[in-house]
Amino acid sequence: EAQVTQNPRYLITVTGKKLTVTCSQNMNHEYMSWYRQDPGLGLRQIYYSMNVEVTDKGDVPEGYKVSRKEKRNFPLILESPSPNQTSLYFCASRGGGSGNTIYFGEGSWLTVV
Amino acid sequence: RKEVEQDPGPFNVPEGATVAFNCTYSNSASQSFFWYRQDCRKEPKLLMSVYSSGNEDGRFTAQLNRASQYISLLIRDSKLSDSATYLCVVNLGDNFNKFYFGSGTKLNVKP
Repeated sequence: EAQVTQNPRYLITVTGKKLTVTCSQNMNHEYMSWYRQDPGLGLRQIYYSMNVEVTDKGDVPEGYKVSRKEKRNFPLILESPSPNQTSLYFCASRGGGSGNTIYFGEGSWLTVV
Repeated sequence: RKEVEQDPGPFNVPEGATVAFNCTYSNSASQSFFWYRQDCRKEPKLLMSVYSSGNEDGRFTAQLNRASQYISLLIRDSKLSDSATYLCVVNLGDNFNKFYFGSGTKLNVKP
């Protein structure tokens, strides 16, 4: 079954405590991406990766880091989380070609207090 | 101006009604267009791609108007199970890896 798996699904953490949200896909997709979703703002792209060791900033990259050491994994790192990073986060992957479907993980609810 | 704009709704319609959503996009070079459906607190899932000539999938019809830079989604014979938020998705014309999502249009289908 085609899947994008992200963990943790729910997390409450404190300001400044580094955390990593993992993402893994089993579809051999080259393209992976992270989005955050906030009320009234829709989904906004944080970072994306077009292949191993190739990453680029999306529209809201501040405060986040990513890495793509393997094709299947694309972790999102918050080095020093702040309350404005409280959000619902989605990892996504997509095959090549302009018309291909974006597959999303189930989402990670992150609260920073 | 946002890259993609949608009426947030909510659209409250009775079962069996026909409802239409529009979505406007700002980049005239955009090439790929999609409608995604998102249920409350769940991940978005592809409803349908939107092709230049328009396309239909059962009760759902999607259309693209490049001249006016909007896409539309028509739902006929609405079911209770159609209640969800519908997201318009457009790629940035010169980068097939950057996608912009509308904020979504909420649909409530009532018995």
